[in-house]
Amino acid sequence: QVQVQQWGAGLLKPSETLSLTCAVYGGSSSDFYWSWVRQPPGKGLEWIGEANNRERPYYNSSLKSRVTMSVDMSRTHVTLKVRSVIAADTAVYYCVRLRGRSLWGQGTLVTVSS
Amino acid sequence: DTQVTQSPSSLSASVGDRVTITCQASQDISNYLNWYQQKSGKAPNLVIYGASNLETGVPSRFGGSGSGTDFTLTISSLQPEDIGTYYCQQYASLPFTFGQGTKLEIK
Repeated sequence: QVQVQQWGAGLLKPSETLSLTCAVYGGSSSDFYWSWVRQPPGKGLEWIGEANNRERPYYNSSLKSRVTMSVDMSRTHVTLKVRSVIAADTAVYYCVRLRGRSLWGQGTLVTVSS
Repeated sequence: DTQVTQSPSSLSASVGDRVTITCQASQDISNYLNWYQQKSGKAPNLVIYGASNLETGVPSRFGGSGSGTDFTLTISSLQPEDIGTYYCQQYASLPFTFGQGTKLEIK
């Protein structure tokens, strides 16, 4: 059974870099497709990007200039970095397998405030 | 990019009512569509995957149908615990996209 755990800093100042990590336990390294999704307070779900073990990560065009996702060599960890954060980046961030029978991490609230 | 348009944005119904939420894709996505229920303060919970497959543990009063561009989530007999916000999501092509959400309340 696949399990997902995520962690990272929850409070940032404007212009800092958001960094979150997602660990996937029990999954197949050959079928590794993980997305990050965020949800600002009181709003809907926004897809940030997907990393997999075959191609370069694919990012939402609205965030592409500030986002980097990477997969470790063991294909068990996915990291998300968002540079130069602003207040509008305040959201709950989820690590998610969105293809097919989706699986969600528990979510991490990231607050950007001076 | 494939857009998904969900309707209605909010819905109020009585216990026992049949409830329908629709999702329309801007292009053919075959059956690559998921439906989620989200309760306040919680992560979304998968209800239907692949347009019509009921996720394990989800009550059988939930059903999904559709293919191509038009999809429907149906609750055959609304129960109080079904309140929350429902989202559709397409995974036919990148970038993946979500519907705007439907807030379901009990009348």
